[in-house]
Amino acid sequence: AQKITQTQPGMFVQEKEAVTLDCTYDTSDPSYGLFWYKQPSSGEMIFLIYQGSYDQQNATEGRYSLNFQKARKSANLVISASQLGDSAMYFCAMRGTYNTDKLIFGTGTRLQVFP
Amino acid sequence: DAGVIQSPRHEVTEMGQEVTLRCKPISGHDYLFWYRQTMMRGLELLIYFNNNVPIDDSGMPEDRFSAKMPNASFSTLKIQPSEPRDSAVYFCASSQWTSGGENIQYFGAGTRLSVL
Repeated sequence: AQKITQTQPGMFVQEKEAVTLDCTYDTSDPSYGLFWYKQPSSGEMIFLIYQGSYDQQNATEGRYSLNFQKARKSANLVISASQLGDSAMYFCAMRGTYNTDKLIFGTGTRLQVFP
Repeated sequence: DAGVIQSPRHEVTEMGQEVTLRCKPISGHDYLFWYRQTMMRGLELLIYFNNNVPIDDSGMPEDRFSAKMPNASFSTLKIQPSEPRDSAVYFCASSQWTSGGENIQYFGAGTRLSVL
């Protein structure tokens, strides 16, 4: 069975600093996709970044990058130059080959950025 | 381009009443998903459709829940009769099949349901 684990219920970071949010996954599927979503206090779910399991390079989207370590089954989100507006819940999710349409979500990490 | 549109944004109802949540997916998307989010259980997939056909409803909690997608631009999630434990945020998401496999799901703003 597929599983996503986010072990950090909460993280603090100072403005302009970088922060890493951890995500580990478990799957026996030969190919899969990994996603990060942001949920601010307003409640909407915002797609941030995607990494395919066969992608040779780590995904980057602006200040977001995904530190993908396949052997360790980890897909950590790195946010560089944190901003106050980055304060939110962050969810890691996975989709596997045999359930290509369904996303499995982790429990989330609440990030607080302070001045 | 408009995103996924959900209505209403907030719904307060009394136990036993019928509740209907609505969703308009992104134009051109062929997948539609209904999720429920609670503090206790996190984000749960309830049901999803492909080309208006329900594919997997294994997450629907019980017969009180039903979902329909009569056409490519509209879906409903109905709870009848509603119970206090149905109180949650309900999200609709849509995605488009891509050859690269991303199939990124884009979420609506959610409907916050309170059943008194």
